[in-house]
Amino acid sequence: QQPVQSPQAVILREGEDAVINCSSSKALYSVHWYRQKHGEAPVFLMILLKGGEQKGHDKISASFNEKKQQSSLYLTASQLSYSGTYFCGTDFGNEKLTFGTGTRLTIIP
Amino acid sequence: DTGVSQDPRHKITKRGQNVTFRCDPISEHNRLYWYRQTLGQGPEFLTYFQNEAQLEKSRLLSDRFSAERPKGSFSTLEIQHTEQGDSAMYLCASSLDETPGPVGETQYFGPGTRLLVL
Repeated sequence: QQPVQSPQAVILREGEDAVINCSSSKALYSVHWYRQKHGEAPVFLMILLKGGEQKGHDKISASFNEKKQQSSLYLTASQLSYSGTYFCGTDFGNEKLTFGTGTRLTIIP
Repeated sequence: DTGVSQDPRHKITKRGQNVTFRCDPISEHNRLYWYRQTLGQGPEFLTYFQNEAQLEKSRLLSDRFSAERPKGSFSTLEIQHTEQGDSAMYLCASSLDETPGPVGETQYFGPGTRLLVL
């Protein structure tokens, strides 16, 4: 049931955009996006609860498709601070998050 | 709000020893989760508490693992007779979800306890 994230890794130059996808074979109750830097705890980015929902803040946004089986995280005009591993945490309605396989993002100057 | 805290931050132990970790959630958070994370992987769910009640345990949580949350405040995770395969980062998270059910609220993670079993 682990959601699949793509791509597994991406390297960007500062200022470029990135899209990270999270796909599930079953409908989800919610999707939670986190960023984790090496040796640190995951840091919450945003939560999506409704099919068709889009939300964001600053230059990071996310969407949740109508069928609630796929979510995408959009990073625009990337900054060096965006580097890290991004995880989607999915809830199948069973009171816990199942985290995806992770996407390692590297931003170079 | 001081966030979720965990103690110790690092623990090195010899195989066969017992270890105990502590997690202090954000005050007034009803739910508390324990996850385990190995290098290159996402956090894996171990168990969670709704207030003081332990409601679900993963199959990953063998009989050597036990968790408590007395009075619905801090929580402890104990591993008995540690094995080298137990080496990992143990993460605690808390959320405001007031009743058992889907995860509708943000889970805030603590800094983790990194365990190394020699």
